Amino acid sequence: QSALTQPRSMSGSLGQSVTISCTGTRSDVGGYNYVSWYQQYPGKAPKLIIYNVNKWPSGVPDRFSGSKSGNTASLTISGLQAEDEADYYCFSYAGSYPRVFGTGTKVTVL
Amino acid sequence: EVQLVESGGGLVQPGGSLRLSCAASGFTVRTNYFNWVRQAPGKGLEWVSSIYSGDSTFYADSVKDRFTISRDISKNTLYLQMNSLTAEDTAVYYCARDLFLNGYSNQFAFDIWGQGTVVTVSS
Repeated sequence: QSALTQPRSMSGSLGQSVTISCTGTRSDVGGYNYVSWYQQYPGKAPKLIIYNVNKWPSGVPDRFSGSKSGNTASLTISGLQAEDEADYYCFSYAGSYPRVFGTGTKVTVL
Repeated sequence: EVQLVESGGGLVQPGGSLRLSCAASGFTVRTNYFNWVRQAPGKGLEWVSSIYSGDSTFYADSVKDRFTISRDISKNTLYLQMNSLTAEDTAVYYCARDLFLNGYSNQFAFDIWGQGTVVTVSS
């Protein structure tokens, strides 16, 4: 089971949108609607921001949205804010082990 | 408040052992699924181990036969016993709960994370 593939870095200006991709296979992303996304600030623990492809945990702003097409899931951050500058990781249920995360994407707000 | 608090990290020599603890509050470890996830310096997240109902356990190949995950229901605490440590085990170790949704634990996401505990393996 290989790590899910994410772009290493992405950037956008304040107020713009960025979309982060997470590419897997039909054994993980493509096979289940159980993709989740995590936001991590430097030196802090990851935080769940999207689960089951497009569901929000309580307290997460709807500027974050998730989607999936085939073997690729996406996280879109709309109306970028300075506090969105962080690392983002995807994860997909695969019904098997090891459980694997995405490679991570560093988002920079210009 | 629902939270996980890790402890037990530190500096250990290669070949040594450590036991990490993860104390849960606001919910019981008995009916939830748990994981250890680590992050080496400057690297991404790496799943290490999971424990499910009936104490069914799973491990990453890199730690199999060296690490043991367990829980003490009376103390509401999760553990990770780490033996035969190498420099490659140096990382921040997080405990994380599997998503608890509609009254059930599932393996679809990780909804609560501890703050992490640092393990450094070095001579």
